[in-house]
Amino acid sequence: AQTVTQSQPEMSVQEAETVTLSCTYDTSESDYYLFWYKQPPSRQMILVIRQEAYKQQNATENRFSVNFQKAAKSFSLKISDSQLGDAAMYFCAYRSARPQGGSEKLVFGKGTKLTVNP
Amino acid sequence: NAGVTQTPKFQVLKTGQSMTLQCAQDMNHEYMSWYRQDPGMGLRLIHYSVGAGITDQGEVPNGYNVSRSTTEDFPLRLLSAAPSQTSVYFCASSPIYYNSPLHFGNGTRLTVT
Repeated sequence: AQTVTQSQPEMSVQEAETVTLSCTYDTSESDYYLFWYKQPPSRQMILVIRQEAYKQQNATENRFSVNFQKAAKSFSLKISDSQLGDAAMYFCAYRSARPQGGSEKLVFGKGTKLTVNP
Repeated sequence: NAGVTQTPKFQVLKTGQSMTLQCAQDMNHEYMSWYRQDPGMGLRLIHYSVGAGITDQGEVPNGYNVSRSTTEDFPLRLLSAAPSQTSVYFCASSPIYYNSPLHFGNGTRLTVT
């Protein structure tokens, strides 16, 4: 079974600075998808960014980018020019590309709480 | 555009009571799922469904029941509530194409006393 590990329960960053959140995963599959979700205090789950395993190019969405290292099974999230609104729980998640046998499910890490200091 | 609608938003139960958490989506998504979120535990999958009439267990299914009679609805039933089921519950859906992210409801905070 796939597992996702976020080794940093909490992180903090100064406003306008850059922070990197770590995520590693364990899988024997070669084709899969990876996601970062943000959960602000409102409790809403918001997709931040996604990465297809077959793509070597790292995904980028405005101030958010990933460092995807397939061989190392690492998928870190970099937030540039941090803003107060970035303060939230961040979850890394894995989804298999195989459509059968329970692989449809999304497997989450335990999350990293990000604090942004003014 | 309603997306994924969960009701209720908050609920307090006494031990032994039963209840149903409702989940409906209007995006014609084949895949629907229920997660519970507990501090320090992330989101753990309770049950999921890949289409009407098809359900399967996730990581923590004990004490919960689901059915999927229509594409739109995926209710979660607590058979006999226990304090260990105090949690925040999320319903999520997606198309059957697995590069699609999950669309989440706004969650239900359940307290069992």
